[in-house]
Amino acid sequence: NAGVTQTPKFRVLKTGQSMTLLCAQDMNHEYMYWYRQDPGMGLRLIHYSVGEGTTAKGEVPDGYNVSRLKKQNFLLGLESAAPSQTSVYFCASRPTGLRNYGYTFGSGTRLTVV
Amino acid sequence: KQEVTQIPAALSVPEGENLVLNCSFTDSAIYNLQWFRQDPGKGLTSLLLIQSSQREQTSGRLNASLDKSSGRSTLYIAASQPGDSATYLCAVRDETSGSRLTFGEGTQLTVNP
Repeated sequence: NAGVTQTPKFRVLKTGQSMTLLCAQDMNHEYMYWYRQDPGMGLRLIHYSVGEGTTAKGEVPDGYNVSRLKKQNFLLGLESAAPSQTSVYFCASRPTGLRNYGYTFGSGTRLTVV
Repeated sequence: KQEVTQIPAALSVPEGENLVLNCSFTDSAIYNLQWFRQDPGKGLTSLLLIQSSQREQTSGRLNASLDKSSGRSTLYIAASQPGDSATYLCAVRDETSGSRLTFGEGTQLTVNP
């Protein structure tokens, strides 16, 4: 059981380039999330999805787009990368249920924009 | 807006010591609180999940308590080991944001042999 898998693990982009980060989970979870982690800022929610075909904005959505075409996959896109998007990106998922379930996180994607 | 604070930001202790990490949150209307461990350059590993109706959870040498009314949680680590060195993150899921976790900035723990 792989849990939450993120690809790629590392990437260097030039300013203005685009890329897509892939998150895949094999736990049949409804909810999926993208966070970014920056020193001194903690983890901040970018976008999330409450089910296949749905997406919603989090705290810091600007400059990112997401898609959830399949239940098991949640894609995070950067259309025109900026140095401010240099960060570590984490994907997470959890099952439905208001109280009883915690989150499972992937191992992260370290992105550098130069 | 929920805010989560963790104190101290960093802690260095000798091996074998018992220690307490603190987490406080501003909105006490929470569903649950989760403690994570993060090793350098790695992802988040869930340690303990406490429901809002619970007072504590235990796993091995770890014990997490929750005082919902005062907006506090503690993570107790017994007989610390060098392998416990990591950053410990506290996160809450509250009734206002529903689907989202709000994280503290973490406590960076170093256990010295």
